[in-house]
Amino acid sequence: QQQVKQSPQSLIVQKGGISIINCAYENTAFDYFPWYQQFPGKGPALLIAIRPDVSEKKEGRFTISFNKSAKQFSLHIMDSQPGDSATYFCAASSRETSGSRLTFGEGTQLTVNP
Amino acid sequence: EAQVTQNPRYLITVTGKKLTVTCSQNMNHEYMSWYRQDPGLGLRQIYYSMNVEVTDKGDVPEGYKVSRKEKRNFPLILESPSPNQTSLYFCASSLSAGVYGYTFGSGTRLTVV
Repeated sequence: QQQVKQSPQSLIVQKGGISIINCAYENTAFDYFPWYQQFPGKGPALLIAIRPDVSEKKEGRFTISFNKSAKQFSLHIMDSQPGDSATYFCAASSRETSGSRLTFGEGTQLTVNP
Repeated sequence: EAQVTQNPRYLITVTGKKLTVTCSQNMNHEYMSWYRQDPGLGLRQIYYSMNVEVTDKGDVPEGYKVSRKEKRNFPLILESPSPNQTSLYFCASSLSAGVYGYTFGSGTRLTVV
């Protein structure tokens, strides 16, 4: 049972465009929502994270939007670049388990064409 | 350099032959975890450890064992590997789970024939 559902599975964007990846969750106890970026042959690396007390967090070209009532959150990549081509994973964890159980979405393979 | 080191990077083995994948971190992190990555399924947690001698099951623990005798090391043991354990495995560590992000190793691609 996938507790965090991610879409789309793959995404192709032109250079300079906006990439949007969406995630939805069921467990209302989740209180930490990170995004990870993975390049081929590498392990995932933390990109940006948000807690439910804010609706948006921005770091450079990357923004997380969070909708607590809808139990959804999304990653927006502005001015997408070919170097952003990677697999992106959303994830969630709960304070109830001391954050020990980080649940990942299925992943989105992003391709940014030059 | 702060890192999580996994060995080996690639492994092909036969069904039933016991194997160990090692994981070591040099950041004095308390929390460590093992994940497997399969296409279309994302990363699924196998086992995790909140500290030395403290381990617990994740979402897919069947067929795996772990131990945490030292803070820096968290080996993954497959006592009797089967073909359905063919996967890409990642070890991760964190200063404090749920507060700080995870640092992942570079992965171990395991094939069981």
